[in-house]
Amino acid sequence: EPEVTQTPSHQVTQMGQEVILRCVPISNHLYFYWYRQILGQKVEFLVSFYNNEISEKSEIFDDQFSVERPDGSNFTLKIRSTKLEDSAMYFCASRAPANPRGEQYFGPGTRLTVT
Amino acid sequence: AQKITQTQPGMFVQEKEAVTLDCTYDTSDQSYGLFWYKQPSSGEMIFLIYQGSYDEQNATEGRYSLNFQKARKSANLVISASQLGDSAMYFCAMREYEGGKLIFGQGTELSVKP
Repeated sequence: EPEVTQTPSHQVTQMGQEVILRCVPISNHLYFYWYRQILGQKVEFLVSFYNNEISEKSEIFDDQFSVERPDGSNFTLKIRSTKLEDSAMYFCASRAPANPRGEQYFGPGTRLTVT
Repeated sequence: AQKITQTQPGMFVQEKEAVTLDCTYDTSDQSYGLFWYKQPSSGEMIFLIYQGSYDEQNATEGRYSLNFQKARKSANLVISASQLGDSAMYFCAMREYEGGKLIFGQGTELSVKP
């Protein structure tokens, strides 16, 4: 069964460093999302991406964040200068086109630890 | 503004019994979707069940069913015949429009006792 994959599973970085989190969505999906979950808290929306552009972003998704679909299969989230409060689990999700239910399939997550 | 409320931070259920996890939502839209996801201790988010706002019947997926009461804006998840493997965090979520983001509740941690 096709699934969303994410790499790395765990990333440790120092404050101020840039990180790139990578995702490979399910191959025929066209809607892509990033969410984050700070430890013990609810899942929060960051950004959605469709047709090679951002369709919606949250207040969390400030100028330090960017997304890209560089090659038609990967979908990346870049944090330019990480802060301690960026420590969280980051989930990528994708959704099939023309699916009336619109359920999103999540990857296993990347745990980002900023020290 | 859209909001999802899960008022039960933690629930216990005996193996083989049924359990209901509560979810209420707030939206001014007429067309929306409601979802339940399971998050085991390993961390992944697993889609369980979907209910559309215009669906007249309650959704069912195996041992999962959704008790949808539109007038009360509630979408409770019912798990029948609980199994030890059902122990996890459960999140209720809402999507307001096609392709839109999911808004999640705070989650309910379910523990199934043998």
